[in-house]
Amino acid sequence: TQLLEQSPQFLSIQEGENLTVYCNSSSVFSSLQWYRQEPGEGPVLLVTVVTGGEVKKLKRLTFQFGDARKDSSLHITAAQPGDTGLYLCAGALPDTGNQFYFGTGTSLTVIP
Amino acid sequence: DTGVSQDPRHKITKRGQNVTFRCDPISEHNRLYWYRQTLGQGPEFLTYFQNEAQLEKSRLLSDRFSAERPKGSFSTLEIQRTEQGDSAMYLCASGPGYGYTFGSGTRLTVV
Repeated sequence: TQLLEQSPQFLSIQEGENLTVYCNSSSVFSSLQWYRQEPGEGPVLLVTVVTGGEVKKLKRLTFQFGDARKDSSLHITAAQPGDTGLYLCAGALPDTGNQFYFGTGTSLTVIP
Repeated sequence: DTGVSQDPRHKITKRGQNVTFRCDPISEHNRLYWYRQTLGQGPEFLTYFQNEAQLEKSRLLSDRFSAERPKGSFSTLEIQRTEQGDSAMYLCASGPGYGYTFGSGTRLTVV
């Protein structure tokens, strides 16, 4: 059973479009992270959120942590081909804070 | 220091052979993690070190797997008597706390 479910699993959009990726769980997390991974490489950390309701912006990327700290979303505005990759969310449980549980990922393709 | 370094990048081995992977973390990071990632899945936690102490191990880490971090610097992950199911990307990450920096991984193929 996957602790974190991501949706959609695959997303193919045209350059310039907006998109939202969701990361959902029935568990409460002490912190949640978003990563982007390219083929054959390790994940690269984009953001860490720790407070329920927190919103963080990174250029065209907006990250939100749910009020109950069970879910998160990643919104990309005006997607570019360079945004193509596998987006992974990862959460730390309050009682096992040293390991992060990863979602299955959302594979994004931005078509020029 | 340019990041987390893993060696080798690729390893092909015959079933039953032993393999060892190395990870050099970012020097000032005292936490080091090993994860395994199979195709189409997110990384799965294997084990965690704080300095030289191995503090957590996943149930995924069978008796055939062993990890060390002598002197709290680099780490090695050894798999004995490899099986085809061990084929995966093995990722190392280091961090001071929140947020990891991952290496590029070692792709293991067991034939």
